[in-house]
Amino acid sequence: GEQVEQRPPHLSVREGDSAFIICTYTDSATAYFYWYKQEPGAGLQLLMSVFSNVDRKEEQGLTVLLNKKDKRLSLNLTAAHPGDSAVYFCAVSGLGTGSKLSFGKGAKLTVSP
Amino acid sequence: EAGVTQSPRYAVLQEGQAVSFWCDPISGHDTLYWYQQPRDQGPQLLVYFRDEAVIDNSQLPSDRFSAVRPKGTNSTLKIQSAKQGDTATYLCASSFIRGEQYFGPGTRLTVL
Repeated sequence: GEQVEQRPPHLSVREGDSAFIICTYTDSATAYFYWYKQEPGAGLQLLMSVFSNVDRKEEQGLTVLLNKKDKRLSLNLTAAHPGDSAVYFCAVSGLGTGSKLSFGKGAKLTVSP
Repeated sequence: EAGVTQSPRYAVLQEGQAVSFWCDPISGHDTLYWYQQPRDQGPQLLVYFRDEAVIDNSQLPSDRFSAVRPKGTNSTLKIQSAKQGDTATYLCASSFIRGEQYFGPGTRLTVL
């Protein structure tokens, strides 16, 4: 089955800096890519979704890059602020796997003032 | 528009006890998912429904876990005879067909 690796597991940045998170996946048929944010004690908030025909997507200070050749997905938060402190998860699914999402283990981001 | 709602938010049990979790998906979403999220891990799919039909329950421990969605709207996940290894957050999500999944706040289960 699909294996999703996410790194780093923890990262700390200062307010105004960028934070960069990478996920790699194994199944070349993977077609849908998602980034979620989870704050303490809360569910997962969908940040961005990308289909496999898109290499780059930017929304509200977030940039997602997709490199299908290397099976790599990344999330860049520009100008992070303390409210961005949370755990970030990537999730992927394939055309042949129905709606089943495979998640990474998460990256805990801490943004200090 | 109301999001996915779940209850209870917290549950604490002794081993061997039973517990039920309830989920109300976003109105109009035909697909409903139950995930288990152990501490410091990503969510793992247990089961999902399209309308009232189970589409995939291959990861549901069938001897103690059961899930239903009888009218294709709300859903209940039940654990019979809970074990300490069931300690986790149980998340419900919904989507329209195979679109983006939206998650509820989860139920945090502790089995002592």
